Amino acid sequence: DAKTTQPPSMDCAEGRAANLPCNHSTISGNEYVYWYRQIHSQGPQYIIHGLKNNETNEMASLIITEDRKSSTLILPHATLRDTAVYYCIVDPLGSQGNLIFGKGTKLSVKP
Amino acid sequence: EAGVTQSPTHLIKTRGQQATLRCSPISGHTSVYWYQQALGLGLQFLLWYDEGEERNRGNFPPRFSGRQFPNYSSELNVNALELEDSALYLCASSFEGYGANVLTFGAGSRLTVL
Repeated sequence: DAKTTQPPSMDCAEGRAANLPCNHSTISGNEYVYWYRQIHSQGPQYIIHGLKNNETNEMASLIITEDRKSSTLILPHATLRDTAVYYCIVDPLGSQGNLIFGKGTKLSVKP
Repeated sequence: EAGVTQSPTHLIKTRGQQATLRCSPISGHTSVYWYQQALGLGLQFLLWYDEGEERNRGNFPPRFSGRQFPNYSSELNVNALELEDSALYLCASSFEGYGANVLTFGAGSRLTVL
């Protein structure tokens, strides 16, 4: 079973920031938070990951709460091409490839 | 740089037949992972290969098998096909091998079992 809880769906207006929440209240100290997304009928795409500090890359920002029990993925300026299912995954290093994707959040970016 | 490539894109088989799916990882990546995504279900981990060895296996029956070749490409074999094997099969690769959770996925091979 997935160790994370995400809302099943969210809407966002094009050009606005998309903030996708993820609850991982049972996260262990050695577990990282990973975000992937899957655009319809394509393979998942890695977005970002972090342990305890906030992270930013060219795609998104990841904000992890101080107690690490939840996190938020931020797409700063959502476009129609960001419409996808977003998966939040917690996993330790050394998990041997067995990522548990769960059901994710279906983000719909609307014009 | 070429991404993870999978072939064939689509494959149609009948029950009881065997299917072979192929995957070429990104150049320099030594680990290959296989996932199954059946309709209405999430991604399920199948197999992980690294340096030619099977390192981990998901909760799938033995008729799901595979191998990794010296050039790090991989193939997934599904024997005695059943209707519920119809799914998108995704291959991913990574550089770090052990402990790597940053995977690059291919576009997948869609298997239909009639």
